[in-house]
Amino acid sequence: DGGITQSPKYLFRKEGQNVTLSCEQNLNHDAMYWYRQDPGQGLRLIYYSQIVNDFQKGDIAEGYSVSREKKESFPLTVTSAQKNPTAFYLCASNPLGVDKNIQYFGAGTRLSVL
Amino acid sequence: KNEVEQSPQNLTAQEGEFITINCSYSVGISALHWLQQHPGGGIVSLFMLSSGKKKHGRLIATINIQEKHSSLHITASHPRDSAVYICAGSIIQGAQKLVFGQGTRLTINP
Repeated sequence: DGGITQSPKYLFRKEGQNVTLSCEQNLNHDAMYWYRQDPGQGLRLIYYSQIVNDFQKGDIAEGYSVSREKKESFPLTVTSAQKNPTAFYLCASNPLGVDKNIQYFGAGTRLSVL
Repeated sequence: KNEVEQSPQNLTAQEGEFITINCSYSVGISALHWLQQHPGGGIVSLFMLSSGKKKHGRLIATINIQEKHSSLHITASHPRDSAVYICAGSIIQGAQKLVFGQGTRLTINP
């Protein structure tokens, strides 16, 4: 079945540590996105990528980094510069070429700080 | 600024009741998405609308472009409909970006 796989489901980060969240899709979608969700707030865009080897900052990119070396993969690294990383992180994707597309979401990764 | 506002934030109802969740959005949004988030956190896309009305089972979504308003209705609500319902507006700036509402937490009691 096609879909988006995020791993791990739960992740713990120690002070000063970088952690990487995985996002893989087998939908052959061009565009991929990372969102952050905090309690009581709407999802906010961290980074997005429309094509391999290219990505753009979203609204809250500080303290995060991404790569897009393969079409199916868009990992997110939460760096030590992100002072408040505890949140629920969602990866999404959609095809390009049509101007309005449903975004498909992964099951999410819940990150906590030890 | 592109904004999406949802109401109510929380809604509790009895099984069988007709449910309405409202969403207002600003200029610049070209389509409106309704999403469902279950307690585990995963999000499922329910509808995408740029005009008119769509129906899937007991769910109905409508949009009024002139008033920049959309509604999600659930008929004959059931406890399994309990979830957070999120409205999101599409902005096309190269890639499609979504602007999300805060969500409506719906609880259906048996």
